Amino acid sequence: DIQMTQSPSSLSASVGDRVTITCQASQDITNYLNWYQQKAGKAPKLLIYDASNLETGVPSRFSGGGSGTYFTLTISSLQPEDIGTYYCQQYDNLPRGTFGPGTKVDIK
Amino acid sequence: QVQLQESGPGLVKPSETLSLTCAVSGYSISSGYNWGWIRQPPGEGLEWIGSIYHTGSTYYNPSLKSRVTISVDTSKNQFSLKLTSVTAADTAVYYCARHGAVAATGPVDYWGQGTLVTVSS
Repeated sequence: DIQMTQSPSSLSASVGDRVTITCQASQDITNYLNWYQQKAGKAPKLLIYDASNLETGVPSRFSGGGSGTYFTLTISSLQPEDIGTYYCQQYDNLPRGTFGPGTKVDIK
Repeated sequence: QVQLQESGPGLVKPSETLSLTCAVSGYSISSGYNWGWIRQPPGEGLEWIGSIYHTGSTYYNPSLKSRVTISVDTSKNQFSLKLTSVTAADTAVYYCARHGAVAATGPVDYWGQGTLVTVSS
């Protein structure tokens, strides 16, 4: 079965900082990788689909990159409303739909 | 505006069957897409459970497949989840969702608000 890992597991950064979260797959998943943001007590929200496509309505400070087994989510200038937990999700290899363990982001 | 709303019991006894329904508004399930369920145990990460197409084609997480059934009722524009033989490990917030792509497990572009189901006697 495919395994998804994320790093770091948590981070604390200042407003305006550039933040990068990585997601690694144990097998090649081409570009079938999505990123979600989940705020406390809320459902997740789709940010990036197919590795690098920005979902409609998502601020342009969010960007995604990578392919194969290594992917990144970058917030170019961290804002207070960006605090939450970020999850990657693959949908190429079995078991499809697997989420990463999450990265918790807060403000320093 | 697509909206999804979960409903069902918030407490289920061990060994019994968990049953949830997701009512969809703002979009006809018959028009397409895959509709699924995702859960999140308290304080933990997300687990994809399964999805269904409006034709009734289903795809399940292999780790839950033996206990899961997802069905669709296009006349009521809703779909449902049944999970049998539940244990405390099935305690979670259950989300219904729309997979906004061709793939049965593709990116989820619409989510329900989630409903907490606790398994306890």
